[in-house]
Amino acid sequence: EADIYQTPRYLVIGTGKKITLECSQTMGHDKMYWYQQDPGMELHLIHYSYGVNSTEKGDLSSESTVSRIRTEHFPLTLESARPSHTSQYLCASSGGRVDEKLFFGSGTQLSVL
Amino acid sequence: SQQGEEDPQALSIQEGENATMNCSYKTSINNLQWYRQNSGRGLVHLILIRSNEREKHSGRLRVTLDTSKKSSSLLITASRAADTASYFCATDAYGGYQKVTFGTGTKLQVIP
Repeated sequence: EADIYQTPRYLVIGTGKKITLECSQTMGHDKMYWYQQDPGMELHLIHYSYGVNSTEKGDLSSESTVSRIRTEHFPLTLESARPSHTSQYLCASSGGRVDEKLFFGSGTQLSVL
Repeated sequence: SQQGEEDPQALSIQEGENATMNCSYKTSINNLQWYRQNSGRGLVHLILIRSNEREKHSGRLRVTLDTSKKSSSLLITASRAADTASYFCATDAYGGYQKVTFGTGTKLQVIP
């Protein structure tokens, strides 16, 4: 059982709202990731972090921002949500070795009206 | 653009048959992993194969890796209805400090 949690599970909000998607893990993992998943399945890496105070942008340009102030916490923020941000957001973490597998949270389904 | 592409995009088979999914990637890798996703929820790790390995088995799963062709395949033998899910390959690009990127996925339906 993966000890990585995402909240909320579903979020429906209006355009222009600021939102924060929460992701926490209790495994002490250094590496954490945010993926955006299209309705048609494809996953896109949008942010990742190697540890505290380290964040990098992924392959897909995203208007969201992330922070890593504590090892266990990797929140994603959208300052002004738009309908184009409607998607599923998946958070994952892994340990320090190169061949470590990723553990995923259950995801947040975001709908922006 | 995505590191990996998978084919087929969708596969429908009868219970008991074998299912084969293929993954192609673009750059040199440290390792390649396969994940499973049920109903759009979080992904679950199935198996990892390192760049210096050619084949790996885990239960009913068999993974092959051909680094010269930059491709991998996942074989599920004696499929069950419970295997119905989406399957993704993921690569950790060489020197990429475990920046893990995913393929496009294959939707597998196993008909009882």
